[in-house]
Amino acid sequence: RKEVEQDPGPFNVPEGATVAFNCTYSNSASQSFFWYRQDCRKEPKLLMSVYSSGNEDGRFTAQLNRASQYISLLIRDSKLSDSATYLCVVNPRTGNQFYFGTGTSLTVIP
Amino acid sequence: GAVVSQHPSWVICKSGTSVKIECRSLDFQATTMFWYRQFPKQSLMLMATSNEGSKATYEQGVEKDKFLINHASLTLSTLTVTSAHPEDSCVYICSSISYSGNTIYFGEGSWLTVV
Repeated sequence: RKEVEQDPGPFNVPEGATVAFNCTYSNSASQSFFWYRQDCRKEPKLLMSVYSSGNEDGRFTAQLNRASQYISLLIRDSKLSDSATYLCVVNPRTGNQFYFGTGTSLTVIP
Repeated sequence: GAVVSQHPSWVICKSGTSVKIECRSLDFQATTMFWYRQFPKQSLMLMATSNEGSKATYEQGVEKDKFLINHASLTLSTLTVTSAHPEDSCVYICSSISYSGNTIYFGEGSWLTVV
């Protein structure tokens, strides 16, 4: 079973829409969770960390559900500039390795 | 500014030759670096964990004799793709983590095309 599983999409949404991505992880002892954004032909950039209590940064909200072993990312009021691939990242705490989901492709349409 | 830097950014090589990619940590010492590869429209796949002064730890399915990793100093790790084949064409990305372990710093990626 993969460490991290993620719906690859693609998600095509109109500007202003709300979109949510989920990502499941297999190791219940995982400690650190992140959402990264990757633009075409660029390296991933940290979007936000995911805390147990959930966290919000402007239009972006990340949540962690340990019981069901998934993390989510909610984007409100989508902008054209939000078009990218969103990667969930998990540290299973078996070392310092970080494992990536397959990435979810988002395209925001005018 | 960049925290981790890779070189070269783009490389084209002939099938059967070897290519070396460098990953440098800037302004900090990285005892551990990670090497990923990413094929088009796929996510990053961890290849190996590079430890300064010791042998790298390879993920299952990654040939250690084909992908040679050297981490001779606290600021430099290198990945050598030996006897490259066209199917090795992808982007190779290195990363390191912050002292707190909460942030991953990525290099800009090295796009390899084997012809």
